[in-house]
Amino acid sequence: EDKVVQSPLSLVVHEGDTVTLNCSYEVTNFRSLLWYKQEKKAPTFLFMLTSSGIEKKSGRLSSILDKKELFSILNITATQTGDSAVYLCAVINYQLIWGAGTKLIIKP
Amino acid sequence: NAGVTQTPKFQVLKTGQSMTLQCAQDMNHNSMYWYRQDPGMGLRLIYYSASEGTTDKGEVPNGYNVSRLNKREFSLRLESAAPSQTSVYFCASWREGTEAFFGQGTRLTVV
Repeated sequence: EDKVVQSPLSLVVHEGDTVTLNCSYEVTNFRSLLWYKQEKKAPTFLFMLTSSGIEKKSGRLSSILDKKELFSILNITATQTGDSAVYLCAVINYQLIWGAGTKLIIKP
Repeated sequence: NAGVTQTPKFQVLKTGQSMTLQCAQDMNHNSMYWYRQDPGMGLRLIYYSASEGTTDKGEVPNGYNVSRLNKREFSLRLESAAPSQTSVYFCASWREGTEAFFGQGTRLTVV
């Protein structure tokens, strides 16, 4: 059975800290991996990763995919309270397979 | 540039009432999805449609029906609403090579 597992399920850090969120998968016919940020509304797209070892970067957020070890990480440096959200990972084969999300809380 | 349009945004139903959630996308995507999201939980797939004319059950299909009316529209129907169906519902669309696009969500309360 295809599955996507995110860890940790929740994380509380202080402003300015760096966090690393994990997404591991066991999926047949992998095509790409997506990261989303969800506040109190619909998820918003962050990154799409298709190739191993190529870092995608947007401001303080970055992500990389390891297709050999079947995981991806999302890094957030110099965290701010506005980074507080649920971060969702999805893997695409012929459909979208979602992880349960990581709830990140940034304390001032 | 509407993307995915989902209606209504909010709805309160009495137990046993029926309603249809509407979803339309203007990106020519083949795949469309209905999810529900309960507090503190991730997205759970109700039904999906890989192409016009096809629909398949997801993880939690009981109590729901869907219709892929055409390539643009994918509706979700609750025939007899139950309090357990109180949730936030999201429609999404996707095609290969792109990310998934979400509607704004429908907050449904069944009393």
